[in-house]
Amino acid sequence: DTGVSQDPRHKITKRGQNVTFRCDPISEHNRLYWYRQTLGQGPEFLTYFQNEAQLEKSRLLSDRFSAERPKGSFSTLEIQRTEQGDSAMYLCASSLGTGTSNQPQHFGDGTRLSIL
Amino acid sequence: GQQLNQSPQSMFIQEGEDVSMNCTSSSIFNTWLWYKQDPGEGPVLLIALYKAGELTSNGRLTAQFGITRKDSFLNISASIPSDVGIYFCAGRHYGGATNKLIFGTGTLLAVQP
Repeated sequence: DTGVSQDPRHKITKRGQNVTFRCDPISEHNRLYWYRQTLGQGPEFLTYFQNEAQLEKSRLLSDRFSAERPKGSFSTLEIQRTEQGDSAMYLCASSLGTGTSNQPQHFGDGTRLSIL
Repeated sequence: GQQLNQSPQSMFIQEGEDVSMNCTSSSIFNTWLWYKQDPGEGPVLLIALYKAGELTSNGRLTAQFGITRKDSFLNISASIPSDVGIYFCAGRHYGGATNKLIFGTGTLLAVQP
């Protein structure tokens, strides 16, 4: 049983560039989450998918951010026109659940984004 | 964004000592989770709690879901060097469709052999 996989592990880019991250959840998990973690803080929720439907988005997810999960399996998170403040660890998690029932979320090792 | 109050912020202990940390919220949760995070890695689930008053153990770790649904604590007994890391509590709100987790600010644990 493989865990949540994220790619790339590290991304360094210049301000103003676009970046895209990929997350492959645990295979049988229907729910997928994106979080952002800055140094010294706990992860903060960005968005959540159940299968291919994006059901919740945080106010932290500005219009420069877009997430997709087109086939209900892997997901991508794109940041357009990156800014210094986007530098953070982007974590993906997945879980199995139906309705209000939800098993615990399991996290990947994240993509660390550094904006020059 | 919202973060839970977690204390202590850091702990420096000797190997073999017991450790206790807690998390409080101003709102009610229906799930409390405890994670451990090592540098450069994602959080790893330690214990999940689903009922008020529930006490659950995982090896040397014991966690409790507070009866008010607004707090939780984690105890580590007989600490060992590999317990070093940052421990996060996380809660999921009661009711509604949201499945997001609200995380605490973390407790940094250092264990001296």
